[in-house]
Amino acid sequence: GAGVSQSPRYKVAKRGQDVALRCDPISGHVSLFWYQQALGQGPEFLTYFQNEAQLDKSGLPSDRFFAERPEGSVSTLKIQRTQQEDSAVYLCASSLGGPYNEQFFGPGTRLTVL
Amino acid sequence: GENVEQHPSTLSVQEGDSAVIKCTYSDSASNYFPWYKQELGKGPQLIIDIRSNVGEKKDQRIAVTLNKTAKHFSLHITETQPEDSAVYFCAARYLGGTYKYIFGTGTRLKVLA
Repeated sequence: GAGVSQSPRYKVAKRGQDVALRCDPISGHVSLFWYQQALGQGPEFLTYFQNEAQLDKSGLPSDRFFAERPEGSVSTLKIQRTQQEDSAVYLCASSLGGPYNEQFFGPGTRLTVL
Repeated sequence: GENVEQHPSTLSVQEGDSAVIKCTYSDSASNYFPWYKQELGKGPQLIIDIRSNVGEKKDQRIAVTLNKTAKHFSLHITETQPEDSAVYFCAARYLGGTYKYIFGTGTRLKVLA
């Protein structure tokens, strides 16, 4: 596995359901970012991890959004009680060192909330 | 608040011509500016980046220029090819106690054969 992988690639949820989105970064990458990309827009920063430490969660839009990376590799973004405005593509990116290093993006998870 | 403006939103050029995309950022402390190419159904891919201590950087057909005084930076693609067609995003690393990157709204580039 050479790149960042994300699963599922597509998720349809009914309003009010909880969802969990998974990111598998490139092995050995220290930094991990989550972004939200609305249709026709640029990615918007959600949160940043350095190893297992969540150093920045300033972009999470509400307390319904929660991210974790317990062992410093795989990360999960959880959204509770989904709303229609949560519909977007959720992108994960990892980088080898700190946040100035090149970010490698996964293909994203497209979330549709009905 | 922090903001990155990107122009134009769409750009069509003939194959072989040059394409220029411009971005303006608001945070004067920003010091790292990557450019990404995003193809349909894929995540963004870094194509070039520049740090604030450099005014210009070139990599084959792609170049980026940075004017810190004016707070703007530009992407230049020469000798465009059909495979350059994609959406391009500029970004700025926002300083201010966060690890946030601010992205522009994107430019859809079409290279006409």
